[in-house]
Amino acid sequence: AQSVTQLDSQVPVFEEAPVELRCNYSSSVSVYLFWYVQYPNQGLQLLLKYLSGSTLVKGINGFEAEFNKSQTSFHLRKPSVHISDTAEYFCAVSSSGGSYIPTFGRGTSLIVHP
Amino acid sequence: KAGVTQTPRYLIKTRGQQVTLSCSPISGHRSVSWYQQTPGQGLQFLFEYFSETQRNKGNFPGRFSGRQFSNSRSEMNVSTLELGDSALYLCASSPGDLGHADTQYFGPGTRLTVL
Repeated sequence: AQSVTQLDSQVPVFEEAPVELRCNYSSSVSVYLFWYVQYPNQGLQLLLKYLSGSTLVKGINGFEAEFNKSQTSFHLRKPSVHISDTAEYFCAVSSSGGSYIPTFGRGTSLIVHP
Repeated sequence: KAGVTQTPRYLIKTRGQQVTLSCSPISGHRSVSWYQQTPGQGLQFLFEYFSETQRNKGNFPGRFSGRQFSNSRSEMNVSTLELGDSALYLCASSPGDLGHADTQYFGPGTRLTVL
């Protein structure tokens, strides 16, 4: 079975400061990893994904994430946040063999203050 | 291209009733997945359809069912509604099935309230 833990339910940060949203996963097989963003009253939008290859993944809106297999982590980072980054962020994992059904974390609410 | 559309956007039903939700994927996408989002359980996978066949199913009771038509549009049905079925139901489409890890594009969801 696979699982995802997002270590922080809420992360407050000031505008233009850097931010890291933490995600740890567990799986007995190789994985695909994803980060999504959800704005109020909207569906999810993919920020980035790791399938294989380079462990540093760059996504949209200036976000990037690093896959660390030994620590089973996939933390999301942005060097300088904007007010418009205020949203809910979800980490997800699916097994790269088997059913591919994604498992989502409980989400991290990023709150950017002016 | 038009995005994923879901109808209706909001729905209020009473316990014991049944409901049908609709999802129109992005043109050319053959995979449609459904998710339930609640404050208590978070985001949970319901099922995936690809080329009119159910490919994967999450851990939900048989009251939850779905289907996909030849034009890739999908419907999900919930029978004998319970209070706990109140949720945001999200649909996502992608060109290939989940095994290809194609980017999934999500619709805005249908907010179902069961009274």
